[in-house]
Amino acid sequence: AQSVTQLDSHVSVSEGTPVLLRCNYSSSYSPSLFWYVQHPNKGLQLLLKYTSAATLVKGINGFEAEFKKSETSFHLTKPSAHMSDAAEYFCVVSDRRGTALIFGKGTTLSVSS
Amino acid sequence: GAVVSQHPSWVICKSGTSVKIECRSLDFQATTMFWYRQFPKQSLMLMATSNEGSKATYEQGVEKDKFLINHASLTLSTLTVTSAHPEDSSFYICSAYNLGITGELFFGEGSRLTVL
Repeated sequence: AQSVTQLDSHVSVSEGTPVLLRCNYSSSYSPSLFWYVQHPNKGLQLLLKYTSAATLVKGINGFEAEFKKSETSFHLTKPSAHMSDAAEYFCVVSDRRGTALIFGKGTTLSVSS
Repeated sequence: GAVVSQHPSWVICKSGTSVKIECRSLDFQATTMFWYRQFPKQSLMLMATSNEGSKATYEQGVEKDKFLINHASLTLSTLTVTSAHPEDSSFYICSAYNLGITGELFFGEGSRLTVL
């Protein structure tokens, strides 16, 4: 069975400091992994995805994530937080059929000035 | 890029009425679409998988007679909340699977349903 665990329900950073949002996965398949962002009362926007190509994936808005099979992790990082990054972030695992079966519980990122 | 559009984005209705939410893939054909429900400050819960030309597959615990799904064309899936009650108030999000991009789902902007 597939699952994702987002290790932090809430992360607070200061503007200009690095961001780290942690995600561990469990999958019986070679997984496809995604990070999505959701701003208040908005839909979901894809930040980046991993589909067995390069293990370091670069996404939009300066975010990137590294797939580490040995650690079953797919942590999301950004070197310097911006106020507009404050949102809810979801780690998602899907199988090769493209069925997004499992969403993580989400991590709320707060950015202070 | 691929776009998925939902309509309406916000609907308020009286208890007992039925509400239809549309999900359209605007620049690609989607044989499979997914419907999610999101409660305030919670994660997304997969409700059902909508397959073009066939019956939807519902997740355990989701009432298929309550949440009617129709996927009549390759670009449109609809979710009808029948005899809505206040506990059905939620944010409903659809996603569509783009066959041209392996494993990629595109999400709609979501539809907020408020049942009075």
